[in-house]
Amino acid sequence: DTAVSQTPKYLVTQMGNDKSIKCEQNLGHDTMYWYKQDSKKFLKIMFSYNNKELIINETVPNRFSPKSPDKAHLNLHINSLELGDSAVYFCASSQSGDGTDTQYFGPGTRLTVL
Amino acid sequence: GENVEQHPSTLSVQEGDSAVIKCTYSDSASNYFPWYKQELGKRPQLIIDIRSNVGEKKDQRIAVTLNKTAKHFSLHITETQPEDSAVYFCAASFTGGGNKLTFGTGTQLKVEL
Repeated sequence: DTAVSQTPKYLVTQMGNDKSIKCEQNLGHDTMYWYKQDSKKFLKIMFSYNNKELIINETVPNRFSPKSPDKAHLNLHINSLELGDSAVYFCASSQSGDGTDTQYFGPGTRLTVL
Repeated sequence: GENVEQHPSTLSVQEGDSAVIKCTYSDSASNYFPWYKQELGKRPQLIIDIRSNVGEKKDQRIAVTLNKTAKHFSLHITETQPEDSAVYFCAASFTGGGNKLTFGTGTQLKVEL
C-alpha cells in the first residue's frame, strides 16, 4: 500500500552518463513534484506537474527533463551527469496544486556521481 | 520570491524538556505553513501545518503558532522523547502559487537521555 514510490533507491554512476529516476503515486493525486536535497539537507523544489502539465520549473539546468506519462507517474531524466548532481532526489504528490495541500514524499533516490 | 529562514540550525535538549524552532518568511501572500520531520535516511513527513486564518494549532505534544504581522511561525514540542530526534523543516506556500513549498534550512534536534 505504498503511497509514493521511487526507483531506484540508490544510483551510482560516472560523470557524463545519462540516468532516469521513476516515481509513482497511488493516492489519486493530481499534482506531483521533484525536489533535490543536497549534502547540507537543503530541500529545494525542481519541478511540479498538475495533471501531466508542467506548472513549476525552477532554475534547473536543462540537462534535467521531467516527464509525466500520466498523473500517477513522474519521471526525471538527467543527461550528462555532473559531480554537483550528487544529492537525494525526492518525488512528492499532493491532491491539487492550489498552494495549501499536504505534500507526501517518496522514499528518495540517492544519486552519487563519481 | 519567498524566502524562509529557520533557527536554530541545531538544538540539543534533555528528554522531557521543551523544544522550540522558529521560522520567518518574507512573502506576505504566503498562507500555508507546514512542518516536516525527517529522520536519518528517511523521507520528510508532515507532522503539523497551519493556515493563515489560524493563530495556533495543537496536536498532542506538538503545537505551531503563527504571527502574520511579524511573518513568524514556530514549532513547539513538549515533553521531548528520544524518538523526536530528527531534522525538522518549516515551509511556506500560498494559494495559487502552484503549491510551491519554500523550505527553511532545517533544524537538527537531538534529544538526550
